[in-house]
Amino acid sequence: AQSVTQLDSQVPVFEEAPVELRCNYSSSVSVYLFWYVQYPNQGLQLLLKYLSGSTLVKGINGFEAEFNKSQTSFHLRKPSVHISDTAEYFCAVSQAGGTSYGKLTFGQGTILTVHP
Amino acid sequence: EAQVTQNPRYLITVTGKKLTVTCSQNMNHEYMSWYRQDPGLGLRQIYYSMNVEVTDKGDVPEGYKVSRKEKRNFPLILESPSPNQTSLYFCASSSQWGTQYFGPGTRLLVL
Repeated sequence: AQSVTQLDSQVPVFEEAPVELRCNYSSSVSVYLFWYVQYPNQGLQLLLKYLSGSTLVKGINGFEAEFNKSQTSFHLRKPSVHISDTAEYFCAVSQAGGTSYGKLTFGQGTILTVHP
Repeated sequence: EAQVTQNPRYLITVTGKKLTVTCSQNMNHEYMSWYRQDPGLGLRQIYYSMNVEVTDKGDVPEGYKVSRKEKRNFPLILESPSPNQTSLYFCASSSQWGTQYFGPGTRLLVL
């Protein structure tokens, strides 16, 4: 079984400040990792994903995340946030390869609020 | 325009009255999935399908049925809805390990 824990349910931050949203996962097999963003009253949009290769992954809107296998973490970072980054962010994991790759498990979500 | 559509967008029903939420994608994706979103619980996968006639249970399949008779459609069926199925439902599709595209969501209230 796999699971995801997002360590902060809410993160308030000032505009132009850096931010880190933390995600830890648990799995007995190799994993694929994802970050999604949900703006108010909208569906989810993929920010970035780690499948293999470089552990530093760059995504859209200036976000990046680093896969740390030893710490089973996949934290999301942005060096300077904007008001428009206010949204809920979800970390997700799935099994790499095999027949269960379609089973995606999400974390509980982190609400990022950017203040002027 | 590449998109995932869901219907209806909003639905109020009563306990026990069978309902179907439709999901359709126009991107020829093999993979489709249903999630429910509840406050504080994030998104939980109900069922997923890796191709026509191939479906499997997610984390919370109880009380739901799905079918995948055509590649573009993946309806979610609630045979006998109960109040604990009141939630926001999302359908998604992708090619294998491509970007997952989410539908706009269906807000369901079961009285």
